[in-house]
Amino acid sequence: DGGITQSPKYLFRKEGQNVTLSCEQNLNHDAMYWYRQDPGQGLRLIYYSQIVNDFQKGDIAEGYSVSREKKESFPLTVTSAQKNPTAFYLCASTPHGEPQHFGDGTRLSIL
Amino acid sequence: GQQLNQSPQSMFIQEGEDVSMNCTSSSIFNTWLWYKQDPGEGPVLLIALYKAGELTSNGRLTAQFGITRKDSFLNISASIPSDVGIYFCAGLRRGSRLTFGEGTQLTVNP
Repeated sequence: DGGITQSPKYLFRKEGQNVTLSCEQNLNHDAMYWYRQDPGQGLRLIYYSQIVNDFQKGDIAEGYSVSREKKESFPLTVTSAQKNPTAFYLCASTPHGEPQHFGDGTRLSIL
Repeated sequence: GQQLNQSPQSMFIQEGEDVSMNCTSSSIFNTWLWYKQDPGEGPVLLIALYKAGELTSNGRLTAQFGITRKDSFLNISASIPSDVGIYFCAGLRRGSRLTFGEGTQLTVNP
């Protein structure tokens, strides 16, 4: 089946630790996105990538990093510089100009 | 970034009632999208609108692209318990990123 796979479903971070969230898609989509969702709020864009080996900061990029070495993969690292990382993280992809398709999300919590 | 004003923020209705929610913006959009998010899952696309004035249905859902291109609404007819969730509008302009509304939390009482 084609789709967007995010892993893990749940993730716990210790103080001072970097953690990486995985996002893989087999839809052959060019563009991929990372959003953060806090309870009762909408989606805020962290980073996006429109082609391989290129990515841009979104509205809340501080404390996060990404890479886009392969078309299928767009991992997000939540660094220790992100002081309030507890949130629901959503990955999305799209062929250009089309609606975005979302993965099922990763819920990150602090230990 | 630019914002979409989505209302209402939450709705509590009885099963069988109709529901209406809308999004407005100070900016023009070329595409309006409506998504539904179930708890603990990612949003799923319900309806996409590409033309001003367009009215599109998907089962019990009907959405319209406002004639001014600055607003859109979503109606759900004869609500059922599985309609519970968060509904998001999103607007897209050419050469720009998708902008999301804050969401409408829908609760349906059996």
